[in-house]
Amino acid sequence: AQKITQTQPGMFVQEKEAVTLDCTYDTSDQSYGLFWYKQPSSGEMIFLIYQGSYDEQNATEGRYSLNFQKARKSANLVISASQLGDSAMYFCAMEVTGGGNKLTFGTGTQLKVEL
Amino acid sequence: GAGVSQSPSNKVTEKGKDVELRCDPISGHTALYWYRQSLGQGLEFLIYFQGNSAPDKSGLPSDRFSAERTGGSVSTLTIQRTQQEDSAVYLCASSSFGDSTYEQYFGPGTRLTVT
Repeated sequence: AQKITQTQPGMFVQEKEAVTLDCTYDTSDQSYGLFWYKQPSSGEMIFLIYQGSYDEQNATEGRYSLNFQKARKSANLVISASQLGDSAMYFCAMEVTGGGNKLTFGTGTQLKVEL
Repeated sequence: GAGVSQSPSNKVTEKGKDVELRCDPISGHTALYWYRQSLGQGLEFLIYFQGNSAPDKSGLPSDRFSAERTGGSVSTLTIQRTQQEDSAVYLCASSSFGDSTYEQYFGPGTRLTVT
């Protein structure tokens, strides 16, 4: 079974600063993918970034980067130059390749960006 | 193009009644997922359809829950004899196995309230 742990229920960051949202995972599978989704107060789930377990380089998408440390089983999300619109709930998720790609989610981190 | 759509957006029902929730995936997406998000929680996998294969029902919490997918497109999640603990947001997602990241595209969800 897979498990995702997000230990930060809430985080605050000042506008234009960088912030790191923590995510650790547990799986015995060798092939898997890690995702981050953003959920604003409106409720929709917005895909941010993906990292495959065999990818040697950390994934980046614009202001988002994923700090993937395989040996430590961590997949932290780094948001650079935070904006007010980044205020939302952020979920880390995992899928096991060949397991139907169903996602196992963490409990989320509520990020608030302040002026 | 059109995203994943779900209906109704909100549903209030009395305990003991049956409800049907509908999901229209993105055209051409072969995989369809149902998740449940209880208040303040992460998403919980319910069921997964892929093409003509037998669905993965491993996440359904009880035999009161069932789902079908007609013609490889529209899906209906049915909850029989609803209980108050069924109150949650039910999210549908679809994906194409042609995508390298297997990104799941989520619908806006159906908020179910059982009184």
